Amino acid sequence: KAGVTQTPRYLIKTRGQQVTLSCSPISGHRSVSWYQQTPGQGLQFLFEYFSETQRNKGNFPGRFSGRQFSNSRSEMNVSTLELGDSALYLCASSSREGSYEQYFGPGTRLTVT
Amino acid sequence: AQSVTQPDIHITVSEGASLELRCNYSYGATPYLFWYVQSPGQGLQLLLKYFSGDTLVQGIKGFEAEFKRSQSSFNLRKPSVHWSDAAEYFCAVGRSGSARQLTFGSGTQLTVLP
Repeated sequence: KAGVTQTPRYLIKTRGQQVTLSCSPISGHRSVSWYQQTPGQGLQFLFEYFSETQRNKGNFPGRFSGRQFSNSRSEMNVSTLELGDSALYLCASSSREGSYEQYFGPGTRLTVT
Repeated sequence: AQSVTQPDIHITVSEGASLELRCNYSYGATPYLFWYVQSPGQGLQLLLKYFSGDTLVQGIKGFEAEFKRSQSSFNLRKPSVHWSDAAEYFCAVGRSGSARQLTFGSGTQLTVLP
């Protein structure tokens, strides 16, 4: 079974731009969670989607948003990029809502210049 | 609010030596505890988890962890480290209830000497 895939793997954007990251969960998995990983703040939960609905949200500004499609694929969007948004964005999928059996993708490395 | 502390930022051990990575958590109820490993350029891989029951948990790659409620700890151990174990290790606690999400520690970087 294929794992969680994230595209693109690397991205460079300029401050003020917006960016969209994509995550395809493991086949059959309906829950997708997003995490931000930075050297200063570590791993922080962004949000969780299940059945196209946002179920949980971490403590991030409204510039961070996401959505999930009927095929469980998920996208996250960051608008008005700031230098501090430079991070590794990890997506994790699980078979059911709120499950801790999460399988992580390789991440998207976003650099904001 | 829950929190996780990994007091050791970096640990160096020789190949074949034993390993113990420390993790302390703060949580008001019975926690769900996890250890993940991250190799360079990779995502996180779940090593083991504790939900309830036996406090000594076996995981993949020969790792084990012991839940000690009295010490609020969930230390990761391996009797004999292999060079391929060099990576960053994260302890995490899960919150039960409606908002089930993971809170991670800051990680411990493991270096293995030949």
